[in-house]
Amino acid sequence: EVQLVESGGGLVQPGRSLRLSCTTSGFNFGDHAMSWFRQAPGRGLEWLSFIRSNPYGGTTEYAASVSGRFTISRDDSKRLAYLQMNSLKTDDTAVYFCARGASHSSGWFDYWGQGVLVTVSS
Amino acid sequence: DIQMTQSPSSVSASVGGRVTITCRASQPINTWLAWYQQKPGKAPKLLIYGASNLQNGVPSRFSGSGSGTDFTLIISSLQAEDVATYYCQHANNFPFTFGPGTKVEIK
Repeated sequence: EVQLVESGGGLVQPGRSLRLSCTTSGFNFGDHAMSWFRQAPGRGLEWLSFIRSNPYGGTTEYAASVSGRFTISRDDSKRLAYLQMNSLKTDDTAVYFCARGASHSSGWFDYWGQGVLVTVSS
Repeated sequence: DIQMTQSPSSVSASVGGRVTITCRASQPINTWLAWYQQKPGKAPKLLIYGASNLQNGVPSRFSGSGSGTDFTLIISSLQAEDVATYYCQHANNFPFTFGPGTKVEIK
């Protein structure tokens, strides 16, 4: 069974950092792109970042809203994806989801974690 | 960036009724479009990819069509468990963007 579980969320002050982890199981992690999304309270879905599988270069893409502040990475040996979030702003308050790309560099996402809440507040 | 719009923003229909949701891209995206269902407090679920391909395990009452800039999601016979918000997402290039969502309710 494919599973993705986010962790690392919580309450953080503006300007501080947080690292989210996405623990996966049930599939060959190295064969899939991974992505992070978020959903602010009562709002729609926002794509944040994308990392291709290592056979496809492991390269990354970012939304303008987080480029330069957030960094996506992956550790295929541990089946983990990460989102390092720096210089957090109150507008970053949201539920954050990791999701599996349907293939090495796919732009659609067939399995999602349950989400983790990040609250940025003083 | 490609902007995605959806209409209507909300729709209600009787159980067994037909629901049609449209999604429009601000520029042509071929068939690089996905549809997701999201129930309150839950993660999105992939329904349709490539504009018209049904994801494994998704009931056949869901169907998608379109190419270029105009796309449609149809629920042919609405069930109580289909109450949710539906989002389209383009995958033509980066950044990926979503439509604002369509809330589907039972009349």
